[in-house]
Amino acid sequence: QSALTQPPSASGSPGQSVTISCTGTSRDVGGYNYVSWYQQHPGKAPKLMIYEVSKRPSGVPDRFSGSKSGNTASLTVSGLQAEDEADYYCSSFAGRDNVFGTGTKVTVL
Amino acid sequence: QVQLVQSGAEVKKPGASVKVSCKASGYSPIGYAIHWVRQAPGQGLEWMGWINGGSGTGEFSQKFQGRVTITEDTSASTAYMELSSLRSEDTALYYCARNNGYNTFDVWGQGTMVTVAS
Repeated sequence: QSALTQPPSASGSPGQSVTISCTGTSRDVGGYNYVSWYQQHPGKAPKLMIYEVSKRPSGVPDRFSGSKSGNTASLTVSGLQAEDEADYYCSSFAGRDNVFGTGTKVTVL
Repeated sequence: QVQLVQSGAEVKKPGASVKVSCKASGYSPIGYAIHWVRQAPGQGLEWMGWINGGSGTGEFSQKFQGRVTITEDTSASTAYMELSSLRSEDTALYYCARNNGYNTFDVWGQGTMVTVAS
């Protein structure tokens, strides 16, 4: 199972929006509505931000939203804030396995 | 509160085995799967496998075929991940995570650093 493809980096100024893509195949992202997104700050464990493509866990700001089209899922962070600067990983159910994305470093300019 | 607490850091020689534990508290682990994910220094997350709490069934990545064993002790609310035939490329931070649904890792352990060096 190959890693899902994410852009290495993304950036935006405070208040702007940034969208991160996550491209897989019909065997993972395209085949199931079980894509999740994780935020990881340096030295910390990952934190669930989005699950089942577009659902937000309790406590996650509504500035974070998820979507999917075909084999590509996306995470959008609106109204960027300094604390959003982190690494972001997508993940997908793939039948027998689970697979993570390559990760995207988001920089708040 | 709901949490997963992992065992401490390990240093192993190439060819040895390591066993990492992950103790659940604040919830009943029966019916929740525990997944194992690792992160090499400066690298991304890599899924390793999972075990279903209470049944002992699960799956693991083909990449670790024959090297990884995931078990549980339900009486101790603890899951274990054992990796054998260690090589330097196995040096990483190993996390356990609770799966609450499908591919929904909502609670993570603090991570266990495993260093493989001669």
